[in-house]
Amino acid sequence: DTAVSQTPKYLVTQMGNDKSIKCEQNLGHDTMYWYKQDSKKFLKIMFSYNNKELIINETVPNRFSPKSPDKAHLNLHINSLELGDSAVYFCASSQDEASGYTFGSGTRLTVV
Amino acid sequence: GDSVTQMEGPVTLSEEAFLTINCTYTATGYPSLFWYVQYPGEGLQLLLKATKADDKGSNKGFEATYRKETTSFHLEKGSVQVSDSAVYFCALSRNDYKLSFGAGTTVTVRA
Repeated sequence: DTAVSQTPKYLVTQMGNDKSIKCEQNLGHDTMYWYKQDSKKFLKIMFSYNNKELIINETVPNRFSPKSPDKAHLNLHINSLELGDSAVYFCASSQDEASGYTFGSGTRLTVV
Repeated sequence: GDSVTQMEGPVTLSEEAFLTINCTYTATGYPSLFWYVQYPGEGLQLLLKATKADDKGSNKGFEATYRKETTSFHLEKGSVQVSDSAVYFCALSRNDYKLSFGAGTTVTVRA
């Protein structure tokens, strides 16, 4: 009955590799998001999608490419991973922003 | 642009102490305001919210009042428990497909 689920929970990979993180929500929400949390816990929006359409791309490097096959899924593909990409990535969804967002449990990415 | 400023942590308290975490914001118009909580190793959970001036959000003994005149949304709890140890984030939304977060405040409650 998980509302927003992300896989994998942990990802350890070498520099230069390509990896993907998957996100699915079963809440029927129209909007999905990717956030990055750095080592100091600071959270920053990366992408917003509404009904599969990209709404926000917040100065994220081209190596990051989100894909939304349908409005219940928003995946994140990262090419040529760099050390600085190490962070926790959170997926979220919302129907009405005033009601708040529902977050997934996060994917801890470590690039070595 | 929009911004949220939170009281810096970490904050360490004893059980049953009073907790206040200050939050002020800068935004045009009338944003919605939120407090999210992140327990160790978990994602963020919505703790409470307020969508217009003078609204009070409350949940699990926590409260915060939307003060337009001081652009603030301070979080309070009268008697904390060890289980309240977490990182607390103040955030705002202007219905523009993103939440702007404060830097987070780490709270540790000791038995």
